Amino acid sequence: GAGVSQSPRYKVTKRGQDVALRCDPISGHVSLYWYRQALGQGPEFLTYFNYEAQQDKSGLPNDRFSAERPEGSISTLTIQRTEQRDSAMYRCASSPGANLRTEAFFGQGTRLTVV
Amino acid sequence: SQQGEEDPQALSIQEGENATMNCSYKTSINNLQWYRQNSGRGLVHLILIRSNEREKHSGRLRVTLDTSKKSSSLLITASRAADTASYFCATDQGGSEKLVFGKGTKLTVNP
Repeated sequence: GAGVSQSPRYKVTKRGQDVALRCDPISGHVSLYWYRQALGQGPEFLTYFNYEAQQDKSGLPNDRFSAERPEGSISTLTIQRTEQRDSAMYRCASSPGANLRTEAFFGQGTRLTVV
Repeated sequence: SQQGEEDPQALSIQEGENATMNCSYKTSINNLQWYRQNSGRGLVHLILIRSNEREKHSGRLRVTLDTSKKSSSLLITASRAADTASYFCATDQGGSEKLVFGKGTKLTVNP
């Protein structure tokens, strides 16, 4: 596709359930980033990949959060045993290069609501 | 944690006026980027300035970078109602490729 695609756009889940959020980056982009954004705040870094390698996962809040990009393209952010505090907009971005010398392109995000 | 801090948090101006937003950051950087986010929507890249650059222009946008003060400013000239959005600065962190955002400035341009 022309841009970064995230699915689903909206997800409502019950507390304790696992959720998987998908990101389809721009074809050929090397780097892929996951962010979480609370209302009225800036995007908070979660993790990023160069190709299939997870380079930095320091922003993942706890071990319930994990991410993978097994073939260096599509990525999945998984949240296990969801809690209400996990409710937020989850955003994915991709970048052509591996060294942040160029802009990042963002998807429209997945709005997660944990009830 | 946030790397950049934008100032002011909110700014309200009249159409036609100029808007200036500032960003301060903490660690050394390779480049600094500015993004715009319209109400609740995706982030759109505006401009990237490298650490060895001091000023950059793109249309009605002017960005300056002062690495000695670890600060940047974004100037929007002749503002329009369509410029109403939140503006974020984002930086890498020197040796890291992690792109870290500030909390943003919410700009309102009144027609």
